[in-house]
Amino acid sequence: GAVVSQHPSWVICKSGTSVKIECRSLDFQATTMFWYRQFPKQSLMLMATSNEGSKATYEQGVEKDKFLINHASLTLSTLTVTSAHPEDSSFYICSARAPRSYEQYFGPGTRLTVT
Amino acid sequence: AQTVTQSQPEMSVQEAETVTLSCTYDTSENNYYLFWYKQPPSRQMILVIRQEAYKQQNATENRFSVNFQKAAKSFSLKISDSQLGDTAMYFCAFMTGGTYKYIFGTGTRLKVLA
Repeated sequence: GAVVSQHPSWVICKSGTSVKIECRSLDFQATTMFWYRQFPKQSLMLMATSNEGSKATYEQGVEKDKFLINHASLTLSTLTVTSAHPEDSSFYICSARAPRSYEQYFGPGTRLTVT
Repeated sequence: AQTVTQSQPEMSVQEAETVTLSCTYDTSENNYYLFWYKQPPSRQMILVIRQEAYKQQNATENRFSVNFQKAAKSFSLKISDSQLGDTAMYFCAFMTGGTYKYIFGTGTRLKVLA
């Protein structure tokens, strides 16, 4: 089956710094990737849709300048949390859509802790 | 806007028994897909079963089956012969055919008891 990886799996950063999370589709080309945020014991909330070679589309209420998304290639999308604050601490999950399909595959997630 | 509702925050079932998790959704779309995902403590999202809305036949995957009632906008998951490994959070999800965005329900935490 299709595999999506995320790196790092867990990151701790100091308040005010920026942190980058990578999402890679390992064995297929993903024209579209999605970024979700999950707070403890809550559901996944879609943050943004990332299309290769174009600007990301953000969901209502998501700060574009805080959560920078870059989909530079068909196998890599990155989420950069800029000037992180403790309230940004969360579990971030990406998914990748296979071409010409509605099928999506989820990465294992990244736990971000901002101190 | 589409919404997905899971009315059972927590459920438990004895090993080898059958349990049904409920999900309702609201949409005006005709082209959509429905899913059940399992999220174990590792937090990796695992696809359990999917249903294309245009298919009348209920989807089945081994011990997992759905009861898809399109007119009632209901999509319940039945787990037969429950196993300890089924213990997890289960999310019902909706996807429109055009945007391919998931909308997740709030989840049902299922515990299988030995």
